Amino acid sequence: GAVVSQHPSRVICKSGTSVKIECRSLDFQATTMFWYRQFPKQSLMLMATSNEGSKATYEQGVEKDKFLINHASLTLSTLTVTSAHPEDSSFYICSARRTGLYEQYFGPGTRLTVT
Amino acid sequence: GDSVTQMEGPVTLSEEAFLTINCTYTATGYPSLFWYVQYPGEGLQLLLKATKADDKGSNKGFEATYRKETTSFHLEKGSVQVSDSAVYFCALSGLGAGSYQLTFGKGTKLSVIP
Repeated sequence: GAVVSQHPSRVICKSGTSVKIECRSLDFQATTMFWYRQFPKQSLMLMATSNEGSKATYEQGVEKDKFLINHASLTLSTLTVTSAHPEDSSFYICSARRTGLYEQYFGPGTRLTVT
Repeated sequence: GDSVTQMEGPVTLSEEAFLTINCTYTATGYPSLFWYVQYPGEGLQLLLKATKADDKGSNKGFEATYRKETTSFHLEKGSVQVSDSAVYFCALSGLGAGSYQLTFGKGTKLSVIP
């Protein structure tokens, strides 16, 4: 149990366009989902925390108008990168916290390339 | 604030060698401690965890003991395999308002050669 999926696994988009990444908890309900960004050979940087039915909490330095997060249900959170630029190219990873527990389960990641 | 420090890599070992990856932490209260593993091109997988002092987490031959007196959670394996080649992250989950957030170390890349 505790499987988290992400879609797509890889996406290439043109500069100025928007791209949506989905994060789903497949076999459990997730009250809280987290979005991370990982640069090559570096650790994970927490971008934002989203709770189902409420606005996401963004970490300092993360533009909330650029990285739109929606957590509409207990099994789905989406991250939309708006007006993407090449510097947004990165590996984006989501995680989900099972309701009532503190442990996080991670998705396989989405490789975004902006050309 | 909370922080995690782990030994910098990369670490290169021969198959069947003994592995230690050091991890120390700074946190208020009594955090839960984790080791995650990331294989190339993939997300993170929980390797093991410990939730209180003196707890030992273990999985797939890996072990780590929660040492409150030294604020450490070192990862060990007695005999590594080529398939263990990956990046290993030490992390903690603290208490209080941000209790569900994980604080990660920078990761240690392990390469095991035949």
